[in-house]
Amino acid sequence: EVVMTQSPATLSVSPGERATLSCRASQSVIRNLAWYQQKPGQAPSLLINGASTRATGTPARFSGSGSGTEFTLTISSLQSEDFAVYYCQQYDTWPRYTFGQGTRVEI
Amino acid sequence: QVQLLGSGPGLVKPSETLSLTCSVSGASVSSSRYYWGWIRQPPGKGLEWIGSIYYTGITYYTPSLLSRVTISLDTLKNHFSLNLTSVTAADTAVYYCARHLNPLIGFDIWGQGTGVTVSS
Repeated sequence: EVVMTQSPATLSVSPGERATLSCRASQSVIRNLAWYQQKPGQAPSLLINGASTRATGTPARFSGSGSGTEFTLTISSLQSEDFAVYYCQQYDTWPRYTFGQGTRVEI
Repeated sequence: QVQLLGSGPGLVKPSETLSLTCSVSGASVSSSRYYWGWIRQPPGKGLEWIGSIYYTGITYYTPSLLSRVTISLDTLKNHFSLNLTSVTAADTAVYYCARHLNPLIGFDIWGQGTGVTVSS
């Protein structure tokens, strides 16, 4: 099983600042990685596919990068609505999907 | 606009079977364009993919639940279902249904989530 490790577990950031979230895979997943945002009491929503392609409706301040085993989600200037938990998911080893444990972005 | 609406009992007794349904509007579960999946989230924890189904009825399951899980389609009612047998407290979670356009892409549409507690 591909283990996805996210860091940090919690990221404290001020509005307007830049946030950088990391996701590491235990083996190469090429660029077969998605990022999700989950707000309290809500379902996750897809932000990024293919490591760097923004999903429909994802604001341009969200960007994804990386390949192989190291991936990054960057939020260029945090807005109040961006405080949430972010998950990465690899789909390279279909049909064996795995998610990271999440990074909470807090004020 | 595609919408998924999960439903089912919120309380299941240990050793019994958990059964949930996801009703789909705005898309057809019998379309070759989509896969349909279930993901769960235990309280305060992360996400776990349970399995997915294609319009042909072919199913894919996570290995840890393979012996207990069944996902099925009902094309007449345009919904898909999850059955999980022999549940324990470890199966307590919010269960999400979701869509993906193909296996090598993320889940783009999610249901609202159905909370299930396993308790006597």
